[in-house]
Amino acid sequence: KAGVTQTPRYLIKTRGQQVTLSCSPISGHRSVSWYQQTPGQGLQFLFEYFSETQRNKGNFPGRFSGRQFSNSRSEMNVSTLELGDSALYLCASSLGFLAGGRQETQYFGPGTRLLVL
Amino acid sequence: AQSVTQLGSHVSVSEGALVLLRCNYSSSVPPYLFWYVQYPNQGLQLLLKYTTGATLVKGINGFEAEFKKSETSFHLTKPSAHMSDAAEYFCAVNHLRGALNFGKGTSLLVTP
Repeated sequence: KAGVTQTPRYLIKTRGQQVTLSCSPISGHRSVSWYQQTPGQGLQFLFEYFSETQRNKGNFPGRFSGRQFSNSRSEMNVSTLELGDSALYLCASSLGFLAGGRQETQYFGPGTRLLVL
Repeated sequence: AQSVTQLGSHVSVSEGALVLLRCNYSSSVPPYLFWYVQYPNQGLQLLLKYTTGATLVKGINGFEAEFKKSETSFHLTKPSAHMSDAAEYFCAVNHLRGALNFGKGTSLLVTP
């Protein structure tokens, strides 16, 4: 089974621009979560989607948004980029079906490294 | 909210020595705990997880962890370190569906 894929792998943008990152989950997985990884803040949860609906959201400004399509692929968008948005953005997928769901394993993609100049 | 704390941002061991990476959790509900490893320029790979049942959990690559409720700990161990174990290790607790809370990570250095 193919793993989680993320595109693009590397991206360079300038302040004020917007960016869209893409994530394709493992086949059969319906939950997609997004994380931001920076040296200063570590790994932080952005949001989680299941069946095209956002179920949970982390503590990030409204400039960060996402969506999920009917085939479970997900995109996240960052508008009005700031220097502090430079990070590794990781996507993870899981089945999403288990009651409660907290014990499910999340499988991570390789990430998209975003550099904002 | 549930959280984890990893003690020691850097750990150095000799090849063949015991690896011990520490993780303590804080949770008001039964925790579901995970250890992930990250190699340079890669995503996260699951080593093992604790949900319920047996408190000693065995994972991949010879790693294991023991859930100790009385000590609120979930330390990761490996009896004999290998050079290929050098990486960043993250402890995490799943506090909401689809939302992991990670520790700050421990960088493991293995010396010959």
